Amino acid sequence: GNSVTQMEGPVTLSEEAFLTINCTYTATGYPSLFWYVQYPGEGLQLLLKATKADDKGSNKGFEATYRKETTSFHLEKGSVQVSDSAVYFCALHSGNTPLVFGKGTRLSVIA
Amino acid sequence: KAGVTQTPRYLIKTRGQQVTLSCSPISGHRSVSWYQQTPGQGLQFLFEYFSETQRNKGNFPGRFSGRQFSNSRSEMNVSTLELGDSALYLCASSFAGVRELNEQFFGPGTRLTVL
Repeated sequence: GNSVTQMEGPVTLSEEAFLTINCTYTATGYPSLFWYVQYPGEGLQLLLKATKADDKGSNKGFEATYRKETTSFHLEKGSVQVSDSAVYFCALHSGNTPLVFGKGTRLSVIA
Repeated sequence: KAGVTQTPRYLIKTRGQQVTLSCSPISGHRSVSWYQQTPGQGLQFLFEYFSETQRNKGNFPGRFSGRQFSNSRSEMNVSTLELGDSALYLCASSFAGVRELNEQFFGPGTRLTVL
């Protein structure tokens, strides 16, 4: 079946540090890949997506590249801010099935 | 455009009771999905309703049920509550449904605590 594995948190970084959150997937067919973000007390928001191999999704300084050869979709940001503190979820959509989410990675950015 | 709203935001119940949660989707969206979020299991899909019909169902016991009304509002019911049902319950709406590749918009969730 389809599954997503992402690095366990929490991740604690200083402001302006480089961020990487690893995400790998297992899927039948050709999935679309997503990163969602959940700020404290809120629901999930779509951060970025990629629908085919080698696509790069980007938003708010975050980027992720769909790597079919390594079945990965790692999230990166060059310089994190305190306001980026949240839980980040990697997810995939494949075929006629609902989104499958990873377990989430909590990021804390300290000033 | 108003977002997805969920009521109540917080609930405290005791074991054996039942609970009903409500979700109002974005205007024009016909699909409403429900997810259970826990620290141990992450986000797990419960079920989806589309135009008042349950179209997809996750791997949860029959104590978890739902329905959708003609105005697309949805309710989720959990009967005979167990301690393990304590979780954040998220509702998401979309235009085309979970099988299609289209963005789902999430509500803030209902935090259920079972004592």
